[in-house]
Amino acid sequence: GENVGLHLPTLSVQEGDNSIINCAYSNSASDYFIWYKQESGKGPQFIIDIRSNMDKRQGQRVTVLLNKTVKHLSLQIAATQPGDSAVYFCAERNNAGNMLTFGGGTRLMVKP
Amino acid sequence: DTEVTQTPKHLVMGMTNKKSLKCEQHMGHRAMYWYKQKAKKPPELMFVYSYEKLSINESVPSRFSPECPNSSLLNLHLHALQPEDSALYLCASSRGQGSSEAFFGQGTRLTVV
Repeated sequence: GENVGLHLPTLSVQEGDNSIINCAYSNSASDYFIWYKQESGKGPQFIIDIRSNMDKRQGQRVTVLLNKTVKHLSLQIAATQPGDSAVYFCAERNNAGNMLTFGGGTRLMVKP
Repeated sequence: DTEVTQTPKHLVMGMTNKKSLKCEQHMGHRAMYWYKQKAKKPPELMFVYSYEKLSINESVPSRFSPECPNSSLLNLHLHALQPEDSALYLCASSRGQGSSEAFFGQGTRLTVV
């Protein structure tokens, strides 16, 4: 994961636009990746996951893309809504399959 | 019931106090986790319990002492903490250790004075 220091990267989008949040992961042997959403004052909430044998997975309004060559994960949110405003974290499962490690987060701000 | 319940929501304690954080889930999950989260940082794993046994301790100082009394409960006992231990402490559970979709509680906001 990435430590982003004192300031979280921020993505500001207009309501209705599409959002793309990126994440670089560290362990090429990780076999499973998850995106979490964390709203202020709450714990992380599962959004979508993808296994390392896939390169794309779609959910409702969300799509996760995995590029193992460059160890890059992205989360695409279609028609972004004010309720999507939160901090988004990617997480990778280690190759022993017994723990999740979180990457640095990105704050998504949706302008009405 | 897909909830992980943590109590208390907020806790202020002195450096000489002893306190405990509690976590409860009734989803039949057999893996439970403690994470620590500082402001503007990702959650960092502290402990993992699998089938009520401690399976991972991420080199956490002994002033943090986890306990798993049964498959639904997870405690974190705190003693002689430092101000830098102030953080959001998150509990999570999953069907099995490392299995898909960990459910998180809302956390306990701890302030050490």
